[in-house]
Amino acid sequence: NAGVTQTPKFQVLKTGQSMTLQCAQDMNHEYMSWYRQDPGMGLRLIHYSVGAGITDQGEVPNGYNVSRSTTEDFPLRLLSAAPSQTSVYFCASSHEENTEAFFGQGTRLTVV
Amino acid sequence: GENVEQHPSTLSVQEGDSAVIKCTYSDSASNYFPWYKQELGKRPQLIIDIRSNVGEKKDQRIAVTLNKTAKHFSLHITETQPEDSAVYFCAASITGYSTLTFGKGTMLLVSP
Repeated sequence: NAGVTQTPKFQVLKTGQSMTLQCAQDMNHEYMSWYRQDPGMGLRLIHYSVGAGITDQGEVPNGYNVSRSTTEDFPLRLLSAAPSQTSVYFCASSHEENTEAFFGQGTRLTVV
Repeated sequence: GENVEQHPSTLSVQEGDSAVIKCTYSDSASNYFPWYKQELGKRPQLIIDIRSNVGEKKDQRIAVTLNKTAKHFSLHITETQPEDSAVYFCAASITGYSTLTFGKGTMLLVSP
């Protein structure tokens, strides 16, 4: 099993550009989440999903969209990139709520 | 929503010493408390977790204690080794809410 796979690993965007961060898991997990990690801020939840077709907002959802058309995939879309979105983004999945979350390797995004 | 405070933000110890990291949470309904370790440039990985129906859990050199009345939980690492150097995150979750709220992290440095 590959676990949770994120692409790309690194990305540089210009302000105003849009892009999609990809996340895929092969563990048949129902729960998937996107976090951003900034220095001194820990991991903050952007959006999450409890199953295909179901998504909800987390703590910092503004500027991001998600969809969950399949169990395996949970892409994160930046609509119009801003320098404040410079961060490391982690996707995570878990089999059930309140069980181990498996993280992807992260995407380091820089917006200039 | 849930708020998790974590202390200290940095912790330096000598190899062989013990290290203790403390977290407090705000929502008394929280019932799942995992700890994640993140090595430099790597993804967070679960090292131990505890549920609200137990007060302590051990796994070799790592232990977690939970005080529901005071709403705090702690990570204890004994006989620290240089490879324990990493950032440690505590988190809390409430059954039915499907999300983890993380503390801001503790950078542990173990010197040989």
